[in-house]
Amino acid sequence: AQSVAQPEDQVNVAEGNPLTVKCTYSVSGNPYLFWYVQYPNRGLQFLLKYITGDNLVKGSYGFEAEFNKSQTSFHLKKPSALVSDSALYFCAVYQAGTALIFGKGTTLSVSS
Amino acid sequence: DAGVTQSPTHLIKTRGQQVTLRCSPKSGHDTVSWYQQALGQGPQFIFQYYEEEERQRGNFPDRFSGHQFPNYSSELNVNALLLGDSALYLCASTQNVLRAEAFFGQGTRLTVV
Repeated sequence: AQSVAQPEDQVNVAEGNPLTVKCTYSVSGNPYLFWYVQYPNRGLQFLLKYITGDNLVKGSYGFEAEFNKSQTSFHLKKPSALVSDSALYFCAVYQAGTALIFGKGTTLSVSS
Repeated sequence: DAGVTQSPTHLIKTRGQQVTLRCSPKSGHDTVSWYQQALGQGPQFIFQYYEEEERQRGNFPDRFSGHQFPNYSSELNVNALLLGDSALYLCASTQNVLRAEAFFGQGTRLTVV
């Protein structure tokens, strides 16, 4: 069965520092991988996706993610964090004929 | 271009009652999925509708049912509400049933008392 793990409940970084939010997945075959962000009392906003091709994927708001097949990871990164990046981040995996399977989420807190 | 819209935004119901939540997909999208997000959890897949039929279903009881209309909008119905049904219900649409990139609405916050 497909699954997604986000090992950190919370990540704390100072504004201007680089950030990483970790995600590992378990799926048979080739996965489609996604990152979504959720602000308080709001729905999910799409950040970026990996389908195939270059292992480094660039997305919205300066975020990027690196797909590592051997480590089955898809970590979200940003070179310089902003206070406005503080939110709840979800990693998700998709296979054809199924639905999006989400991790439990990681709260990112960026301090000024 | 309107995104995914859901109504109502908030709802309070009593145990045992029934509730209907509504969703209009993003323009150009014909597939609608529903997710339940309990407090502190990631969204859990309920079911997906395409061509007015339920195509996939997650691990939810039959109390959860849905419908899709010819204009692609969708309803989620929950019967015999339990306290544990309190959650944020998210609707997502995709361009077609084979596309993975989903666009989400802002959700309906259901509180069962």
